[in-house]
Amino acid sequence: EDQVTQSPEALRLQEGESSSLNCSYTVSGLRGLFWYRQDPGKGPEFLFTLYSAGEEKEKERLKATLTKKESFLHITAPKPEDSATYLCAVQARDSGGSNYKLTFGKGTLLTVNP
Amino acid sequence: NAGVTQTPKFQVLKTGQSMTLQCAQDMNHEYMSWYRQDPGMGLRLIHYSVGAGITDQGEVPNGYNVSRSTTEDFPLRLLSAAPSQTSVYFCASSYLGTGNYGYTFGSGTRLTVV
Repeated sequence: EDQVTQSPEALRLQEGESSSLNCSYTVSGLRGLFWYRQDPGKGPEFLFTLYSAGEEKEKERLKATLTKKESFLHITAPKPEDSATYLCAVQARDSGGSNYKLTFGKGTLLTVNP
Repeated sequence: NAGVTQTPKFQVLKTGQSMTLQCAQDMNHEYMSWYRQDPGMGLRLIHYSVGAGITDQGEVPNGYNVSRSTTEDFPLRLLSAAPSQTSVYFCASSYLGTGNYGYTFGSGTRLTVV
């Protein structure tokens, strides 16, 4: 069974204080690892997909990295508008249509204070 | 672009009532899915579809039915509502195949069963 564990559950930062969120996973053959951002009362918003160990993706103040067991979302010099819940999900290599299922972690609630 | 549209946004049901949550997408995505999001549980897959006429069960399918008569629409039916189905429901869609295809989520339906 695919499992995704995110840590910490909650993180409070001061504006400009860089940090990292962790996503550890177990999956029988990784097809892709996804990061999403979710604002209160809204649906998750796609950020990145990572496919293989060593891969990195960047978008503004966010950088996602991937190893064989975990992924990190690095936030550099965060701003209050980066406050949100960040979700990690894995997609396993499987047969047929289940190839496209995502298994989500419970998320990290990030708060950036001005 | 409308993206993924979910209706209604809010709904209160009495135990035993039935209803249909609507989901429509205008991106010609083959893959569509329904998730429920509960505090402390993360997003859990209910049902998914890889194309018109094809549906399959996810992690928590009991009490829910789906059908996919067109590429655009993927309604979720609650057969006999129970308080345990109180949740926020998200519809998501995606292209099939390889590539950086994250899911596109709707804005959610908040359902309360009393």
